Amino acid sequence: EAEVAQSPRYKITEKSQAVAFWCDPISGHATLYWYRQILGQGPELLVQFQDESVVDDSQLPKDRFSAERLKGVDSTLKIQPAELGDSAMYLCASSLRDRGFTDTQYFGPGTRLTVL
Amino acid sequence: SQQGEEDPQALSIQEGENATMNCSYKTSINNLQWYRQNSGRGLVHLILIRSNEREKHSGRLRVTLDTSKKSSSLLITASRAADTASYFCATDFNQAGTALIFGKGTTLSVSS
Repeated sequence: EAEVAQSPRYKITEKSQAVAFWCDPISGHATLYWYRQILGQGPELLVQFQDESVVDDSQLPKDRFSAERLKGVDSTLKIQPAELGDSAMYLCASSLRDRGFTDTQYFGPGTRLTVL
Repeated sequence: SQQGEEDPQALSIQEGENATMNCSYKTSINNLQWYRQNSGRGLVHLILIRSNEREKHSGRLRVTLDTSKKSSSLLITASRAADTASYFCATDFNQAGTALIFGKGTTLSVSS
């Protein structure tokens, strides 16, 4: 069964350093989401892509976070500089295509970030 | 901000018992989904119920949706130790995209 791939699975970094996370969605899935999940909470959207275009990045802290999906396939999420409050699980999800309503999303295993 | 709120926050039962989790939401939706998350892992999609549906089944799972009360319930019958996980309801995001809005989840512990 096809899965969403993410790497690394775990990342420990010091405050003010740069970190990057990678996601490869299920083949053929045009829509890609990055969510952040703080311990004990549900995931919250950071950014949504449709192919290579950003659909919604209203909740992305753009002063330190950036995301790209250059060829409309895999995606990278970057944080620079990292802050203590960025410690969380970063989840990538994909779905077939944005048809104007929310559809089933398939999640990767996540990247657990710890900022010291 | 979070749209859905699950209740209870935590639930402990014995194997073989049924587990019921509830979800309330605030605004109109197109559909509601339930996801499971094992400790420290990604989320697994369980079931999607559309706003014009009232009940849906999948194996040992039964989901109901009451749009007049803006609530949904997830019933897991004959629970197993492997059902131990956090369960989240998720609804539409009524803004630019089609992202999900998740509640805080219900943590289910099934002991053998």
